[in-house]
Amino acid sequence: GAVVSQHPSRVICKSGTSVKIECRSLDFQATTMFWYRQFPKQSLMLMATSNEGSKATYEQGVEKDKFLINHASLTLSTLTVTSAHPEDSSFYICSASRGGQGGQPQHFGDGTRLSIL
Amino acid sequence: AQSVTQLGSHVSVSEGALVLLRCNYSSSVPPYLFWYVQYPNQGLQLLLKYTSAATLVKGINGFEAEFKKSETSFHLTKPSAHMSDAAEYFCAVSYTGGGNKLTFGTGTQLKVEL
Repeated sequence: GAVVSQHPSRVICKSGTSVKIECRSLDFQATTMFWYRQFPKQSLMLMATSNEGSKATYEQGVEKDKFLINHASLTLSTLTVTSAHPEDSSFYICSASRGGQGGQPQHFGDGTRLSIL
Repeated sequence: AQSVTQLGSHVSVSEGALVLLRCNYSSSVPPYLFWYVQYPNQGLQLLLKYTSAATLVKGINGFEAEFKKSETSFHLTKPSAHMSDAAEYFCAVSYTGGGNKLTFGTGTQLKVEL
């Protein structure tokens, strides 16, 4: 159990394009979903946390108008990179966790490799 | 505030040898601790978790970790390394009331040699 599907796995597009990444929990209800960015050879950098039906909470330094997050249901969250530029090229990973007081692990998607030309 | 320190960004072992990946945490409240593994160009896979039950936690693929409060440690071990264990390993901490938000260590790259 606890499978998270992330789509697409790879995107190559021109500068100025907006890109949408989907994150789905396939066999559980995800009260909270997280979006990370990972640079080569580095740890994960949390971008934002989203709870179903609520506005996402963005980490300091992350532009909320640049990275739009929607968590419309308990199984789906989307990240849209608006007007993407080469500096937005990165590996983006989502995760999902069940509700609870704590100790619930995050379950991760397989990531999306975004390349902006 | 919580933090995680992983000593050794790179660890190299021979196939069949003991694997020991170190993780120390800092937390002002009782922590929940996790180990994740990441293979190239993939997301993270949960290896095991400590959530205040048994201090010795067994996970998948033969890995285990022991929570030692006195040492604020949660080291990951495996008795016998396999080539397929070569990957990046992340230790992470969360806490009650933290909304399951994780604080990650910087990761340890495990290399397994013949």
